[in-house]
Amino acid sequence: AQSVTQLDSHVSVSEGTPVLLRCNYSSSYSPSLFWYVQHPNKGLQLLLKYTSAATLVKGINGFEAEFKKSETSFHLTKPSAHMSDAAEYFCVVSDQGDNDMRFGAGTRLTVKP
Amino acid sequence: DTAVSQTPKYLVTQMGNDKSIKCEQNLGHDTMYWYKQDSKKFLKIMFSYNNKELIINETVPNRFSPKSPDKAHLNLHINSLELGDSAVYFCASSRGLAGGYEQFFGPGTRLTVL
Repeated sequence: AQSVTQLDSHVSVSEGTPVLLRCNYSSSYSPSLFWYVQHPNKGLQLLLKYTSAATLVKGINGFEAEFKKSETSFHLTKPSAHMSDAAEYFCVVSDQGDNDMRFGAGTRLTVKP
Repeated sequence: DTAVSQTPKYLVTQMGNDKSIKCEQNLGHDTMYWYKQDSKKFLKIMFSYNNKELIINETVPNRFSPKSPDKAHLNLHINSLELGDSAVYFCASSRGLAGGYEQFFGPGTRLTVL
C-alpha cells in the first residue's frame, strides 16, 4: 500500500524568494505522483503530475517537482514566490493501475510581502 | 463552463436531518469521487464510482450513501446527520480509475450540522 508524508505543515516565505514544499512517499510499485493546490474556499487544482516519464516535471504557475526514486521524494519548488501562491498544497501518490489515491496532510504556504 | 459542479455550496442543518449534495461533471469522465475535508484540511476519500459501479467504499458510516443516476452525476445522501459530519465535501472526476489520472475537483460544499 502506498502512503505520502508532507514534511511541513506550514511554510512561510517572502515574496520573490524560492519555495520548497517537501513530500516523501512510499509505494509498492511504480507510483504516480501529483501536486494539487487549494486556494481558500476553492476546490483542488492540479499543479503537476509524474507518471514515469521525465523525472523533472514542470507544472503551471512556474512550479516544478523532481521525482527522486532513491530518496522516495517528490518535492515541489518554485524559484520566486508570488503573493497569489499563498494556498494549501497537497502531495498525492497512487500506484499505477491501482484504484487508490493517498493524499498528504497538506502544507499551508504563506507568502509575506 | 464549469467542469465539475456541486450544489449547494453551503448547507446548514440540524442534527438528525437527512440531506443530499448533488454533483455533476461535463467532462465525459468515467470515474467520480466524493471526498471529505475536515477542519484541519485533511482529505479523506469516501467513495468512487466507475461507470456507475461503486469501486471504493472506505470506512464510511452507512448513513452516507452515494447515488449515481448516470455517468455524469454522483449525488451524496446523508441520513441522520451528526455534529461530526460537519466538513467540506468535494466531488471529483477523472478519465479513468485513480492511478495516473488527474482528478478534477468541484468547488466544495460546506456542511454545518448544528
